[in-house]
Amino acid sequence: RKEVEQDPGPFNVPEGATVAFNCTYSNSASQSFFWYRQDCRKEPKLLMSVYSSGNEDGRFTAQLNRASQYISLLIRDSKLSDSATYLCVVKGSNYQLIWGAGTKLIIKP
Amino acid sequence: EPEVTQTPSHQVTQMGQEVILRCVPISNHLYFYWYRQILGQKVEFLVSFYNNEISEKSEIFDDQFSVERPDGSNFTLKIRSTKLEDSAMYFCASSEQEGQGNYGYTFGSGTRLTVV
Repeated sequence: RKEVEQDPGPFNVPEGATVAFNCTYSNSASQSFFWYRQDCRKEPKLLMSVYSSGNEDGRFTAQLNRASQYISLLIRDSKLSDSATYLCVVKGSNYQLIWGAGTKLIIKP
Repeated sequence: EPEVTQTPSHQVTQMGQEVILRCVPISNHLYFYWYRQILGQKVEFLVSFYNNEISEKSEIFDDQFSVERPDGSNFTLKIRSTKLEDSAMYFCASSEQEGQGNYGYTFGSGTRLTVV
């Protein structure tokens, strides 16, 4: 089983729609979780940390299910500028960031 | 907003040559990292550095690689005897703290290394 697994997509979504991404991780001892966004040939940028109780930042909502080792990201009212690859990232027991391969999102006008 | 600066943005080198990738982390950050991303693949951890020494390294980070903090600001990655498969984006990152908390890492814009 991959350490961090994501559906590679692409997800083709009309502007204004809601889209959800999922991610599973294999190490049950992981404590910290993040969603990063990466534009083509650019550096990853932290979108949001994921907290146990779930957290929201504007149009973005992240959820964590420790029992199922599952993380989700919901984007509401999607914008053209949301088109990017979304990377699920888990901090391992040795504090290294373990990266998923990313889910590509394409927002269409 | 403070940023991590990497130079050069693109480096082309011949197979077998040595390259040095440079990074200037955020000034009050104490933890420094190198990651790489081969085109179309996921980001991979190379090495972390704290208090002037390597704190963790991955199996990718073999004797071909070394890191250094030669002065108070620069953090370098040296790749000796480059191979074609070393072609990738190399990202430097820094963080203020470490541990299992949700401490964010700030990434530089990367150096695209092309080995020909």
